[in-house]
Amino acid sequence: DAGVIQSPRHEVTEMGQEVTLRCKPISGHDYLFWYRQTMMRGLELLIYFNNNVPIDDSGMPEDRFSAKMPNASFSTLKIQPSEPRDSAVYFCASSSPRTVSTDTQYFGPGTRLTVL
Amino acid sequence: GQNIDQPTEMTATEGAIVQINCTYQTSGFNGLFWYQQHAGEAPTFLSYNVLDGLEEKGRFSSFLSRSKGYSYLLLKELQMKDSASYLCAMYNTDKLIFGTGTRLQVFP
Repeated sequence: DAGVIQSPRHEVTEMGQEVTLRCKPISGHDYLFWYRQTMMRGLELLIYFNNNVPIDDSGMPEDRFSAKMPNASFSTLKIQPSEPRDSAVYFCASSSPRTVSTDTQYFGPGTRLTVL
Repeated sequence: GQNIDQPTEMTATEGAIVQINCTYQTSGFNGLFWYQQHAGEAPTFLSYNVLDGLEEKGRFSSFLSRSKGYSYLLLKELQMKDSASYLCAMYNTDKLIFGTGTRLQVFP
């Protein structure tokens, strides 16, 4: 399996612009997670989905952030409008509690976002 | 509330043994994960403890005490490539809550 795939790997944009991050989970995994990592706050869970349905979005910072999962193999995280404080590495992870490896989350390579 | 704590930085010498501690407080605890993260890369799974006791996996071992809210990761025969951040995470009702990570530097 190719693992979790994220695009783009790097994104540089200007304040006020819309940013869309993309994620393809591991095939067969029914949980998908979006995280943000910064030096100051570490790895924070933003939102997660089960079977394409958002379960917990309490970590989403504010209304500028939104996430969708239109099907089992694709999810997006959108920031509109973007601000410099959104600069971070955004990770997507997936898991499948029904597998032998239980609830282990597998992370994608991340998207490094810089908002100028 | 929920809280998870681990040291910010540690240093050790190649060939030595190092123990990275993690304490946590939460309700609805299902288990404790350890992940390794090299600089500029994604976290990768190391271990998962559900029951009390020691789980050994090669040079790495992880221990859990649910009653004390305490876990540690033990790294033996340290190698230079073990220089990385080590993240402990509480597993709570489908989701992981991560500590800020311990940055380990291994010196020759």
